[in-house]
Amino acid sequence: GDSVTQMEGPVTLSEEAFLTINCTYTATGYPSLFWYVQYPGEGLQLLLKATKADDKGSNKGFEATYRKETTSFHLEKGSVQVSDSAVYFCALNTGNQFYFGTGTSLTVIP
Amino acid sequence: ETGVTQTPRHLVMGMTNKKSLKCEQHLGHNAMYWYKQSAKKPLELMFVYNFKEQTENNSVPSRFSPECPNSSHLFLHLHTLQPEDSALYLCASSQKFGGEQYFGPGTRLTVT
Repeated sequence: GDSVTQMEGPVTLSEEAFLTINCTYTATGYPSLFWYVQYPGEGLQLLLKATKADDKGSNKGFEATYRKETTSFHLEKGSVQVSDSAVYFCALNTGNQFYFGTGTSLTVIP
Repeated sequence: ETGVTQTPRHLVMGMTNKKSLKCEQHLGHNAMYWYKQSAKKPLELMFVYNFKEQTENNSVPSRFSPECPNSSHLFLHLHTLQPEDSALYLCASSQKFGGEQYFGPGTRLTVT
């Protein structure tokens, strides 16, 4: 069945380090892919999305490219900040269903 | 007010109490969702409403009872809960069923 798999956390980085959070998916057809972020004590917020192969979603310095050949949508940021500390969720939309990954906790230390 | 709002933000209730969680969306969406988020566990989809009709109930215990009086409002009625029901309850909405979801801030529920 359709699903999303993302890397286990937690991830701890120093400020200004490079971030990669891996996400792979299994789906039939042509799904849309998303990254959501959840800051402490809050609900999930859409961070970025891509709706077709080779699209790159970007927002707040974060980027992810929809790679159909590797069925991946890895999240990257060149220089993380303390304020990026949060839980990140990869998600998949097949058109009539939405699937979330288990979330990856990121802590950025000064 | 815009987006998806949830009230209350925090709730402490005893196992014999009855309470309700409220969700309201101001986005003109047609589908609404209840999720349960427990520590160290994946998001659990509880209920889905599409055009006010319930489309999914993922084996949720009957002590949780949803209500969707219109496309903008969603309630979760709680009664005789257990301590393991303590969690963050998130409401979301989307333009169409299965589409991109917008989340509320959640209600942090503690059952004592």
